[in-house]
Amino acid sequence: ETGVTQSPTHLIKTRGQQVTLRCSSQSGHNTVSWYQQALGQGPQFIFQYYREEENGRGNFPPRFSGLQFPNYSSELNVNALELDDSALYLCASSFGGTSLYEQYFGPGTRLTVT
Amino acid sequence: TQLLEQSPQFLSIQEGENLTVYCNSSSVFSSLQWYRQEPGEGPVLLVTVVTGGEVKKLKRLTFQFGDARKDSSLHITAAQTGDTGLYLCAGPSGGGADGLTFGKGTHLIIQP
Repeated sequence: ETGVTQSPTHLIKTRGQQVTLRCSSQSGHNTVSWYQQALGQGPQFIFQYYREEENGRGNFPPRFSGLQFPNYSSELNVNALELDDSALYLCASSFGGTSLYEQYFGPGTRLTVT
Repeated sequence: TQLLEQSPQFLSIQEGENLTVYCNSSSVFSSLQWYRQEPGEGPVLLVTVVTGGEVKKLKRLTFQFGDARKDSSLHITAAQTGDTGLYLCAGPSGGGADGLTFGKGTHLIIQP
């Protein structure tokens, strides 16, 4: 059984640029959730994709967007990067389109915005 | 918005000692989860508690869900250096597709 993988591991971008982060869900899972974890904080929910549709969203602006593909892998896109977007971005996969199911996290992508 | 407060924020103890960390909220949660996160990695699920008053044991770790389902605790007996990490509690934000609400975590360091 393959676990959740994310790419890239680390990324450095300049303010105003755009970034795409990728996540492959665990085998058999159809739901992917994305979280932002700032230094010293717990993860904050960005949004969730279930069967290729956005299924729920946290308190993040529209410049945070995503996609889920037929194989249930997912992308997180962030436009017009700001310094405060520097964080660890985590994706979590689960089966069933709610947070009530156990979520399995990937190792994260560390994004630094300068 | 449902908030989870974790305490203490930092804890450093010697190997072999016992410890308890706490997760509290003013809101009722249908379930709570505990995760452990090591540097450079994603959180790893330790346990899910769903029934008020429930106690679950995972080797030297004991998890308790409060009777009113507003709080939880994690007790570690005879801590080991491998227990070092960030311990996070989390619960469903809205009960549906609203993701998980996390506390800020307890940074635990077990010194040899």
